[in-house]
Amino acid sequence: DGGITQSPKYLFRKEGQNVTLSCEQNLNHDAMYWYRQDPGQGLRLIYYSQIVNDFQKGDIAEGYSVSREKKESFPLTVTSAQKNPTAFYLCASSNPGTSTDTQYFGPGTRLTVL
Amino acid sequence: GESVGLHLPTLSVQEGDNSIINCAYSNSASDYFIWYKQESGKGPQFIIDIRSNMDKRQGQRVTVLLNKTVKHLSLQIAATQPGDSAVYFCAEKAGFQKLVFGTGTRLLVSP
Repeated sequence: DGGITQSPKYLFRKEGQNVTLSCEQNLNHDAMYWYRQDPGQGLRLIYYSQIVNDFQKGDIAEGYSVSREKKESFPLTVTSAQKNPTAFYLCASSNPGTSTDTQYFGPGTRLTVL
Repeated sequence: GESVGLHLPTLSVQEGDNSIINCAYSNSASDYFIWYKQESGKGPQFIIDIRSNMDKRQGQRVTVLLNKTVKHLSLQIAATQPGDSAVYFCAEKAGFQKLVFGTGTRLLVSP
């Protein structure tokens, strides 16, 4: 099956802890993205990576970090510096370089701070 | 289930009706548009896309209409079914810039 997987589906974090969300894709896409979704708001871009070993901040990168050591994987770490981390996190991938560049999404991870 | 939009505009239809969901986009330079469907607690699913050189594109039970003059996009779903209940949102893209997502419309289909 080709697609994007995210794990875990649900994650609980105590205040002051860092947590890492996993995202893996086997679509052979060059670009990967992390979005945050809050009720009543559109998707907000946290970080994106267009190629291995390179990534850029999105609109709300503060309190988050990423790495892109492999084409297939783009883990997101939510650090203790993120003041309001409770949200639904979505990973996506695409093949940029074309003006269509359709993004396909994973199933999401729901993070709750206790 | 997970609620992805507590205060979204809502369209309520009866099963078998046709549904029309609208989206106003902001960037007159946008040349590529996508409609996504998001069910409660799940990631968005690609439904259909359209380039700015087209006014209309049809898929299976869905049609997207693009009016560039007024920067308006619509998604028509024929013979709406309970399984179509979800949040629908559009996304726009200008050239090689990033996708920009709308907030979405909740579609409720009653039997």
